[in-house]
Amino acid sequence: KNQVEQSPQSLIILEGKNCTLQCNYTVSPFSNLRWYKQDTGRGPVSLTIMTFSENTKSNGRYTATLDADTKQSSLHITASQLSDSASYICVVSRGGLSGGSQGNLIFGKGTKLSVKP
Amino acid sequence: DAGITQSPRHKVTETGTPVTLRCHQTENHRYMYWYRQDPGHGLRLIHYSYGVKDTDKGEVSDGYSVSRSKTEDFLLTLESATSSQTSVYFCAISGGQVYNSPLHFGNGTRLTVT
Repeated sequence: KNQVEQSPQSLIILEGKNCTLQCNYTVSPFSNLRWYKQDTGRGPVSLTIMTFSENTKSNGRYTATLDADTKQSSLHITASQLSDSASYICVVSRGGLSGGSQGNLIFGKGTKLSVKP
Repeated sequence: DAGITQSPRHKVTETGTPVTLRCHQTENHRYMYWYRQDPGHGLRLIHYSYGVKDTDKGEVSDGYSVSRSKTEDFLLTLESATSSQTSVYFCAISGGQVYNSPLHFGNGTRLTVT
């Protein structure tokens, strides 16, 4: 069964601290892995997209890693800010399938991050 | 933000009434999608479109229909709303097939069915 599991479900950290969010997946065939940030009341916004051959990708203070062998990804946030408070969603894309979109993106349930002053 | 506008942003309706949600894009993207987001679930695909008048079902399509008469507009209709359709609905767009193209989301419509 194609699944994306994220941990922890929620996390509270102090401003300025670092944190790491985890994503494990059982999706086949694999095309790419994406991390999205979703602020309360807004739509998800893309942070990174990583293909099979990419181990690490950064976007400012956000660094995503991918281990395609163990089917694990992490999102590391450095020097957290209050504006990092959001839900972070891991999405795995299936490749090589016919059709435009049916079942091609598998969404995790997200990790809710709260950054406290 | 990608040029995606969803309307209305909030709606309360009664069980059994028809409801139409609108998604408008200014990016001229070929592919458009409707998702719903519920607590305890990841985003789930309702319907998608791969061109004008070309649509197909997603994983949770029962009770929903869609139409796309112009590239920029994608409508989601609940023919007879039920309480189980209380959710946040997101429209998304992509320039190519979603498995290898970025997906851009609108800011959602919060629908409450009483």
